[in-house]
Amino acid sequence: DQQVKQNSPSLSVQEGRISILNCDYTNSMFDYFLWYKKYPAEGPTFLISISSIKDKNEDGRFTVFLNKSAKHLSLHIVPSQPGDSAVYFCAASGQGAQKLVFGQGTRLTINP
Amino acid sequence: DGGITQSPKYLFRKEGQNVTLSCEQNLNHDAMYWYRQDPGQGLRLIYYSQIVNDFQKGDIAEGYSVSREKKESFPLTVTSAQKNPTAFYLCASSQWTGDTDTQYFGPGTRLTVL
Repeated sequence: DQQVKQNSPSLSVQEGRISILNCDYTNSMFDYFLWYKKYPAEGPTFLISISSIKDKNEDGRFTVFLNKSAKHLSLHIVPSQPGDSAVYFCAASGQGAQKLVFGQGTRLTINP
Repeated sequence: DGGITQSPKYLFRKEGQNVTLSCEQNLNHDAMYWYRQDPGQGLRLIYYSQIVNDFQKGDIAEGYSVSREKKESFPLTVTSAQKNPTAFYLCASSQWTGDTDTQYFGPGTRLTVL
């Protein structure tokens, strides 16, 4: 049972445009959500997080939106840069539990 | 420099041999985790430890063992009982702040069993 799903395995965006990565979850007990960026053969790097008491969180070019009723979150990157090309994972945890559940990842490619 | 180190970066072993992967952190985090990543998949939790001398099984603990004798160290042993051990292994740590609990990852170890 995949509790966190990233339905788009890949996404291609032109440099300077907006990249939107999506993530859906099924467990209504999840209350903390994170996005990680990962390059090949490296560990994931934490990007941004959001708790369920908010619906938006911004950090520079990165914004995460949370729609609790739809059990959906998205990561917006504006403007997209070539260095943003990587695999992006969303993850969720709930009820103070420290265990994270990860989606399968979306490979983002920024084209010049 | 604070961070998480994993060694070695690449590891090769013969089938049937046990192998231990190292993970050390100097972030003074209480909790540590081991994940494995397979091609085209997300990260799956193997074991985690919230405090020294205590650890719990994750979703795919069979064929693995861990120890947590020191706060900064959480080694993972891949035993010969693990049916498909070739994978990319990631260690992480976190510290509950009372509000958030973000996990930070090491660089990973790629294990190949020949």
